[in-house]
Amino acid sequence: GAGVSQSPSNKVTEKGKDVELRCDPISGHTALYWYRQSLGQGLEFLIYFQGNSAPDKSGLPSDRFSAERTGGSVSTLTIQRTQQEDSAVYLCASSLRRTGMFGYTEAFFGQGTRLTVV
Amino acid sequence: KQEVTQIPAALSVPEGENLVLNCSFTDSAIYNLQWFRQDPGKGLTSLLLIQSSQREQTSGRLNASLDKSSGRSTLYIAASQPGDSATYLCAVKWGSGGSYIPTFGRGTSLIVHP
Repeated sequence: GAGVSQSPSNKVTEKGKDVELRCDPISGHTALYWYRQSLGQGLEFLIYFQGNSAPDKSGLPSDRFSAERTGGSVSTLTIQRTQQEDSAVYLCASSLRRTGMFGYTEAFFGQGTRLTVV
Repeated sequence: KQEVTQIPAALSVPEGENLVLNCSFTDSAIYNLQWFRQDPGKGLTSLLLIQSSQREQTSGRLNASLDKSSGRSTLYIAASQPGDSATYLCAVKWGSGGSYIPTFGRGTSLIVHP
């Protein structure tokens, strides 16, 4: 696709329900990142994929959070038993891994999914 | 610990002013540094990417410089316009440990008033 696409753009869910957030990266981009942005806060790193594997899951805040990536493309972030503190904008970014002097190219972000837990 | 700091947190200027936004980082062994713009309720838009071997990048009225030795990058905006009002974020990639994960500053919220 032309850019990083995230769906849904907005999600309101009841406390305790599970939610799935989807990210379609730019075609051919092997690196994919999930971040969370809470109101008035900076971007909090959640998880990073290189291809289908996740070499760094250090940012996932609890075991209620999980993510997967299939076919080196689409990624899904799942939050189980949502809590009110999970309310935030979830942002996905992708970049093209390229070896050599310049390594990774710039990261491109989607428009985010605004999650509200009521 | 690898951290990114942006100062000031907020800035309000009259239209037409030239302005400088600052980004500082610990650990000078960066891979690259990227400046983004975020409009309220929107995602991030990439503005400029500076590789570790470069000293500056320019795009239109924007110029970003990089001084690794002092751990600083500046984003210069010439002849500011109300449409430049947004939050500007700086992100640094460090390659140590092979992580290559962009670490973000908290951003500078810019208002350009007519």
